Amino acid sequence: NAGVTQTPKFQVLKTGQSMTLQCAQDMNHEYMSWYRQDPGMGLRLIHYSVGAGITDQGEVPNGYNVSRSTTEDFPLRLLSAAPSQTSVYFCASSYSGTALNEKLFFGSGTQLSVL
Amino acid sequence: KQEVTQIPAALSVPEGENLVLNCSFTDSAIYNLQWFRQDPGKGLTSLLLIQSSQREQTSGRLNASLDKSSGRSTLYIAASQPGDSATYLCAVKRYSTLTFGKGTMLLVSP
Repeated sequence: NAGVTQTPKFQVLKTGQSMTLQCAQDMNHEYMSWYRQDPGMGLRLIHYSVGAGITDQGEVPNGYNVSRSTTEDFPLRLLSAAPSQTSVYFCASSYSGTALNEKLFFGSGTQLSVL
Repeated sequence: KQEVTQIPAALSVPEGENLVLNCSFTDSAIYNLQWFRQDPGKGLTSLLLIQSSQREQTSGRLNASLDKSSGRSTLYIAASQPGDSATYLCAVKRYSTLTFGKGTMLLVSP
């Protein structure tokens, strides 16, 4: 059971380049989300999804796009990378997103540097 | 807007000590509170989850309490070990989103 898998683990981009961070889970979770973690800022929610075809914005959505075509996958797209998007990105999932007692499972993260 | 604060930001203790990490939140209308552990360069691992109707949860040497009315939670670690060294984060959940604190970095020295 792989859990939540993120690829790549490390990525360096030039300003203006685009890329997609991949996230896949094999736990049949309906809820998936993306966070970014910055020193001194903690984890901040970028986008989340409560099921295939349904996405919503979190606290810091600007500059990022998401889509959810399958239950398993939730890719995060950077359309035109900026240095301010240098961060560690985490994908997380849970069973439904609304149950009172469900835990959140995290991937191991993608460290992104934008030069 | 929900705000979550963790005190202290960093803590260094000798092995064997009992210790308490603190978490406070501004909006008491939460579904649950979770404590996570993060090792350097790794993702987060859920340690304990306390539903809003509960007062505490225990797992091994860890005990977490929740006082929703005052907006506070504590994580108690008994008989600390060097392997407990990590960053501990608390997060509160409402609807489909979690709001995280910035964490407490714990170092347990042998």
